[in-house]
Amino acid sequence: EPEVTQTPSHQVTQMGQEVILRCVPISNHLYFYWYRQILGQKVEFLVSFYNNEISEKSEIFDDQFSVERPDGSNFTLKIRSTKLEDSAMYFCARLLQGADGYTFGSGTRLTVV
Amino acid sequence: GQNIDQPTEMTATEGAIVQINCTYQTSGFNGLFWYQQHAGEAPTFLSYNVLDGLEEKGRFSSFLSRSKGYSYLLLKELQMKDSASYLCAVREPTGGGNKLTFGTGTQLKVEL
Repeated sequence: EPEVTQTPSHQVTQMGQEVILRCVPISNHLYFYWYRQILGQKVEFLVSFYNNEISEKSEIFDDQFSVERPDGSNFTLKIRSTKLEDSAMYFCARLLQGADGYTFGSGTRLTVV
Repeated sequence: GQNIDQPTEMTATEGAIVQINCTYQTSGFNGLFWYQQHAGEAPTFLSYNVLDGLEEKGRFSSFLSRSKGYSYLLLKELQMKDSASYLCAVREPTGGGNKLTFGTGTQLKVEL
């Protein structure tokens, strides 16, 4: 049973539409992260989120992206106006103490058409 | 800048041992992870090294040399289910609570 659940598992959207990807950690994590992986490429860091604020973001995370933890539980990544090149697997991750504390969620496959 | 190198592909025989190498040059270092990733799935944790030396965990072992910027993952008694991509990732101490920088992954194919 995954400790970090992501929904939806697969989303198809038209170019220019907004999408919201959700991550539901089971326990009370402090640090959250979003990564993406374009098909056939490496996993890339997007943003880290701590104490309800963005603590770091990469150059990929431009004004089209935003993150929130609206209800203290779900952790969301919003892409305001999707582009074809946003098609990728998106993973959320959490960090707990301990060597194996960096765990990835099950992922959302986003396809922009 | 950050640079993490690993071989693109490797092939090995069922029951054998394989070593996957990773070299890194990063602006900071706070440990090195190895993950296994099957196609279309999330990376799953295999091992973590923060000090020099060998960490053993069942059929999997991982080695780190910080002075050389080098790590390897050793897989023993290979099974067909070990066919997957193996990702080397460096944990960098940043203000954001340690982001991971990944290599491109090594696609391992286990054959009969």
